[in-house]
Amino acid sequence: DGGITQSPKYLFRKEGQNVTLSCEQNLNHDAMYWYRQDPGQGLRLIYYSQIVNDFQKGDIAEGYSVSREKKESFPLTVTSAQKNPTAFYLCASSISDRGPLDEQFFGPGTRLTVL
Amino acid sequence: GENVEQHPSTLSVQEGDSAVIKCTYSDSASNYFPWYKQELGKGPQLIIDIRSNVGEKKDQRIAVTLNKTAKHFSLHITETQPEDSAVYFCAAPAGGTSYGKLTFGQGTILTVHP
Repeated sequence: DGGITQSPKYLFRKEGQNVTLSCEQNLNHDAMYWYRQDPGQGLRLIYYSQIVNDFQKGDIAEGYSVSREKKESFPLTVTSAQKNPTAFYLCASSISDRGPLDEQFFGPGTRLTVL
Repeated sequence: GENVEQHPSTLSVQEGDSAVIKCTYSDSASNYFPWYKQELGKGPQLIIDIRSNVGEKKDQRIAVTLNKTAKHFSLHITETQPEDSAVYFCAAPAGGTSYGKLTFGQGTILTVHP
């Protein structure tokens, strides 16, 4: 089955700890994205990557970091500098970087709770 | 950048009724408007989209209309069923045609009562 996997589904961390969220896709898509979802605020873009070894900040990148060493993988690290990290995190991918006209396919999400 | 406003935030209908969700956008250069459906515990999934060169698009019980002059677009669901219950998001390209970037609305929680 082709798709996007995110792990784990639920993640608990103590305040001050860095944590890395996994995102893997086997759709052979060039572009990948990380969104944060909070109640009543829709989806906000954290980082996106149009191609391997390249990525760009989204609207709320502060306190987050990413890497794109492989086409199929786009891990997100939530650092201790993120002031309010508790949220639902969604990873997505699209076939190319030719524009916003490509459908974005979403993973099932990871719910991060910082205690 | 693009600003997308979505209304209502919650919508409750009886099975068989129609549901309408509206979004407004700010950037007149935007040319692509997708709608996503998110079921409980899952990621959003594209259900329909419209390009700026058409005013309406239908897919079975779902339709989207676009008014470029007024800069708003709407999702119409007819003959609603309980399985339509979900959160619906509209979106528009961030900053006009910025590659891959979408700005999402705040979401509408649709509940269809049997």
